[in-house]
Amino acid sequence: GAGVSQSPRYKVAKRGQDVALRCDPISGHVSLFWYQQALGQGPEFLTYFQNEAQLDKSGLPSDRFFAERPEGSVSTLKIQRTQQEDSAVYLCASSLLMNTEAFFGQGTRLTVV
Amino acid sequence: DAKTTQPNSMESNEEEPVHLPCNHSTISGTDYIHWYRQLPSQGPEYVIHGLTSNVNNRMASLAIAEDRKSSTLILHRATLRDAAVYYCILRDKETYNTDKLIFGTGTRLQVFP
Repeated sequence: GAGVSQSPRYKVAKRGQDVALRCDPISGHVSLFWYQQALGQGPEFLTYFQNEAQLDKSGLPSDRFFAERPEGSVSTLKIQRTQQEDSAVYLCASSLLMNTEAFFGQGTRLTVV
Repeated sequence: DAKTTQPNSMESNEEEPVHLPCNHSTISGTDYIHWYRQLPSQGPEYVIHGLTSNVNNRMASLAIAEDRKSSTLILHRATLRDAAVYYCILRDKETYNTDKLIFGTGTRLQVFP
């Protein structure tokens, strides 16, 4: 069966440009997560959705970062006015319910030049 | 969030058992111990989890100390495909407003032929 799908796999953005990263979770999964992973570091939590409700956005580093999941399935992470420090791999994960196994996508590698 | 401590790196030869330790001295009674691993250029993948008793699955075994302040992930026969970063994570089963996994820096496992 299909796993978590993220697109694009690679994105190069000029500094100041807005970007949108898409996540297609596993069908029927209630929970959805976004993580940011800098080179050589472990993934850092950004935000958590339960269906369409964004229950935790404590990890979003600034108000330039915005995530949505309007119909409780596909999610988009938007970064406005990108800066060089936003360069990282952005990982999406989903799980069937809270506190169950999380399935991760392969990530989107964002490079801001 | 309860923290975990892992060695930065470990080495093993193929076909040998590997014991990956994790210390979590501040673990609470409702924290599950989860292990994920991340292969190169992939998103993390679930390995195993447990609460108090030792656990076995097709990938690995999890040995949990009686006081729960430490645990060990056991790969019974390492293969080259097991070379990855292994993360030990505490997950509170009684948190209902979020479900984030807090990754540390993990243990990089190298497997030699």
